[in-house]
Amino acid sequence: DTEVTQTPKHLVMGMTNKKSLKCEQHMGHRAMYWYKQKAKKPPELMFVYSYEKLSINESVPSRFSPECPNSSLLNLHLHALQPEDSALYLCASSSTGTLAYEQYFGPGTRLTVT
Amino acid sequence: GQSLEQPSEVTAVEGAIVQINCTYQTSGFYGLSWYQQHDGGAPTFLSYNALDGLEETGRFSSFLSRSDSYGYLLLQELQMKDSASYFCAVTGGATNKLIFGTGTLLAVQP
Repeated sequence: DTEVTQTPKHLVMGMTNKKSLKCEQHMGHRAMYWYKQKAKKPPELMFVYSYEKLSINESVPSRFSPECPNSSLLNLHLHALQPEDSALYLCASSSTGTLAYEQYFGPGTRLTVT
Repeated sequence: GQSLEQPSEVTAVEGAIVQINCTYQTSGFYGLSWYQQHDGGAPTFLSYNALDGLEETGRFSSFLSRSDSYGYLLLQELQMKDSASYFCAVTGGATNKLIFGTGTLLAVQP
């Protein structure tokens, strides 16, 4: 199974809402990533978890809060977002952080902030 | 800092060969990856070069020259389904994160 799943596929939220994005992989990978992608732009790294510990935070605003409950799951908690946060949010995994060059991506959550 | 430059768009016809170039500037370099992303889809890993030279995977080949900070993706026998965005990406620096290039939109025409 080389699949990374993400829910929900689409999310519309107001600026005062709290919501969560979920990501799951069952490949036994020990590194997991959150990316943000705007239209016609490359994915931008937000967070990296390695062995369930946050190893990289790319200076992401605190209204985005990641969580890694176990080695298969990755959440991204959203609160008080801004319209400019509307984007495709991609989750990815790799077998380890040192093999970051080969990542498996989920289909993404398309987020619209109104 | 790190930067990776690619042509923004490339157009080719079915059955042809196309080369997508990538030049990079990084502080620390481990290797160059290539990803394909169809419109509305997820990026998919295509290839990785850590050493100089050509790596071949079916219709796709990837080349790296570390001394020139340059690589390319070569797509042969183009098919309509190859129409997608292609990203080069580097790993390196103080952390093993993946930094993506600007992306090349490939349009394959009949």
